[in-house]
Amino acid sequence: GQNIDQPTEMTATEGAIVQINCTYQTSGFNGLFWYQQHAGEAPTFLSYNVLDGLEEKGRFSSFLSRSKGYSYLLLKELQMKDSASYLCAVRPHNYGQNFVFGPGTRLSVLP
Amino acid sequence: GAVVSQHPSWVICKSGTSVKIECRSLDFQATTMFWYRQFPKQSLMLMATSNEGSKATYEQGVEKDKFLINHASLTLSTLTVTSAHPEDSSFYICSARDWTGRDSNQPQHFGDGTRLSIL
Repeated sequence: GQNIDQPTEMTATEGAIVQINCTYQTSGFNGLFWYQQHAGEAPTFLSYNVLDGLEEKGRFSSFLSRSKGYSYLLLKELQMKDSASYLCAVRPHNYGQNFVFGPGTRLSVLP
Repeated sequence: GAVVSQHPSWVICKSGTSVKIECRSLDFQATTMFWYRQFPKQSLMLMATSNEGSKATYEQGVEKDKFLINHASLTLSTLTVTSAHPEDSSFYICSARDWTGRDSNQPQHFGDGTRLSIL
């Protein structure tokens, strides 16, 4: 089966750093993706990891540990516009299959 | 980068009406597209996988006779909600991925979504 877990909600202060965790148990693994979704809008791609370690992209970084089935998204220097839902998604091993999405974490950035 | 276009963005119609939503890949060919539904404050729920030239694969609990999917070309998939009722009101989103193999780690690209309101 496929199971992905994320915290439901998180709150942080403008300028701070926040880490959003994602744990997964899937029948296969060929990459983990993070998406940002603002209310009423479609998800937008943020980052992906296919090998263990940290991938940095400006204020956003994503980490993966395949042996632990664990990833996190790190957001630095939080801005009000970062208030959104963050979706963790795993691509199963078989070519052509859909991504499996987690439930999403709603992040609220407070002034 | 890859772009997915989805139309219409907003539909309001009477109960019993059928509504067609289009999903186009603008600068790449998509042999597979995905249709999702999302209710307020909930995550994406995969409805079906649309395969070019063949029947769509529906997720458990999704009525294939109610949600008709047609993927007639490599750049277009359509979702038709037949005889829509208020409980079908939701945010419908399509996605596609560039399968050309130039980059096997391409993410899925999403359309802007269609907000469907059935009165």
